[in-house]
Amino acid sequence: ETGVTQTPRHLVMGMTNKKSLKCEQHLGHNAMYWYKQSAKKPLELMFVYNFKEQTENNSVPSRFSPECPNSSHLFLHLHTLQPEDSALYLCASSRWAGNDQPQHFGDGTRLSIL
Amino acid sequence: DQQVKQNSPSLSVQEGRISILNCDYTNSMFDYFLWYKKYPAEGPTFLISISSIKDKNEDGRFTVFLNKSAKHLSLHIVPSQPGDSAVYFCAASEGTGAGSYQLTFGKGTKLSVIP
Repeated sequence: ETGVTQTPRHLVMGMTNKKSLKCEQHLGHNAMYWYKQSAKKPLELMFVYNFKEQTENNSVPSRFSPECPNSSHLFLHLHTLQPEDSALYLCASSRWAGNDQPQHFGDGTRLSIL
Repeated sequence: DQQVKQNSPSLSVQEGRISILNCDYTNSMFDYFLWYKKYPAEGPTFLISISSIKDKNEDGRFTVFLNKSAKHLSLHIVPSQPGDSAVYFCAASEGTGAGSYQLTFGKGTKLSVIP
């Protein structure tokens, strides 16, 4: 039990579908993150929310839309994705978004785009 | 251009011996380094970290060494146990201050500890 729960664990969708990934943390943290891990590549940071405010958007295409309604929940809304978006999407949280705060990860959502 | 490199994709070690995982970085602005461990079908788990003001940090069987001049860090596990078999990721961050925190990850090294 990591304290960070991601649903669904697996998702298969067509390029024209709209779906959402959900992340919930039970650690009392104030920062939450979305990462993408493609095959043979390092984890790539996508978005950072600190105290519900988005502080980072690492040049992510607009077909990915994050939402952070409160410090415990984070969503990633997906629409008109491309086959190259197939990857493992990991959510993480930390006490706050600052240097030296270790991030705690969920188990990820394996996304496949048909 | 990869700023954090783990040049060994895999490593096999006998149970009870020392495991040494290496990581090199190119960005001289990195000042905080972390190691994560990942089992299959699970997310990465934080293991140990080190600030650039130190050259060594120890936590039980795990020790991280930092050589700033060489831009190199290593994770030592001693004695190695079969349960240590996992993928180990090195990560680094710059001191951008509160409100922003970016981790740059290496591609990982798969450690296999042989009983």
